Amino acid sequence: NAGVTQTPKFRILKIGQSMTLQCTQDMNHNYMYWYRQDPGMGLKLIYYSVGAGITDKGEVPNGYNVSRSTTEDFPLRLELAAPSQTSVYFCASSLSGGNQPQHFGDGTRLSIL
Amino acid sequence: DAKTTQPTSMDCAEGRAANLPCNHSTISGNEYVYWYRQIHSQGPQYIIHGLKNNETNEMASLIITEDRKSSTLILPHATLRDTAVYYCIVRVYTGTASKLTFGTGTRLQVTL
Repeated sequence: NAGVTQTPKFRILKIGQSMTLQCTQDMNHNYMYWYRQDPGMGLKLIYYSVGAGITDKGEVPNGYNVSRSTTEDFPLRLELAAPSQTSVYFCASSLSGGNQPQHFGDGTRLSIL
Repeated sequence: DAKTTQPTSMDCAEGRAANLPCNHSTISGNEYVYWYRQIHSQGPQYIIHGLKNNETNEMASLIITEDRKSSTLILPHATLRDTAVYYCIVRVYTGTASKLTFGTGTRLQVTL
């Protein structure tokens, strides 16, 4: 059972480039989340999804887009990369939105130069 | 979600119990207390959560005061692999979304 899998693990982008961070889970969880973590800080929610076809903004959505076409996958897209988006990105999932704990992937370390 | 206050760092000798405190004085009646930890370079790992009663699982125990304004995470026999940043989070179930608000946590260093 793989849990939450994120790819790639590391990436360097130039300013203005675009890329998609992939996230997939094999636990049949309905809820999925994207967080970013800046050095020495806690995690901040970017976007979340409560099911296929449904997404909503978190605390820091600007500069990002998401889609949820299947239960398993929740990709995060950066359209015009900026240095302020240099961060570690974590994807998480939970069975439901109640008391169920969130399960996290190991993150994608992204540098924008 | 209610704000939490945790010490910046703590040390614990291996084999001893690690007691990590958390203040959440503005917690409301329907907010749960969650604990996660993050070992260097890895994603956060769920540890335990509770509402009113004390909770125990294979990883830890959670003690919540009667007024619910503070809680303590107990790792009964800390090992070097428990060295991590521990996050205390209070979260309300809105019926639609389930969002975690992470602060800066407590950095626990377990030593020989």
